[in-house]
Amino acid sequence: EPEVTQTPSHQVTQMGQEVILRCVPISNHLYFYWYRQILGQKVEFLVSFYNNEISEKSEIFDDQFSVERPDGSNFTLKIRSTKLEDSAMYFCASTPRGALSSYNSPLHFGNGTRLTVT
Amino acid sequence: QKEVEQDPGPLSVPEGAIVSLNCTYSNSAFQYFMWYRQYSRKGPELLMYTYSSGNKEDGRFTAQVDKSSKYISLFIRDSQPSDSATYLCAMSVPNDYKLSFGAGTTVTVRA
Repeated sequence: EPEVTQTPSHQVTQMGQEVILRCVPISNHLYFYWYRQILGQKVEFLVSFYNNEISEKSEIFDDQFSVERPDGSNFTLKIRSTKLEDSAMYFCASTPRGALSSYNSPLHFGNGTRLTVT
Repeated sequence: QKEVEQDPGPLSVPEGAIVSLNCTYSNSAFQYFMWYRQYSRKGPELLMYTYSSGNKEDGRFTAQVDKSSKYISLFIRDSQPSDSATYLCAMSVPNDYKLSFGAGTTVTVRA
């Protein structure tokens, strides 16, 4: 079965540094998402992306965050200047279609990148 | 009131027992309800997906939605040690791109 793949599995960075988290969505999917999970807390929506544009973003997704689809396969999340509170698991997800409906397939998640900011 | 509430457990049951998990929610606009299973250091894996109220069964898993009570449940029959994981409920409104998750319930099935 096709999978969403994420690299690296673990990233350690110093506060203030830029990080780029990478994702390869399922090949025929058109909508892409980033979620995060701080240790011991809920999985939280960050951003959705379609047709090279952000479709929706949460209040967490401030100016320090950006997303990009630099080529036909990768989808990236960049954190410009990391803070201690950015330490979390970051999950990429994709769907063949966008808004959830009875006709759509729900989100398929990757295994995540554990980001540790020291 | 939190949008989605889920008892974090932990829940420990003997092999073969029925596992009962539930979530409550406050947003009456939620129409799509999902249960995900998450093993340690892995991403959420979709188990069940239901639309509006009613029951859905898939093998040993049964999902129930009661929109009048804003309450959803997942039952796991004949539980196995391999069912040991964290179970997350998630839900969404129509024509929206994002899911709202519960905190997850950690389940251990003892052999």
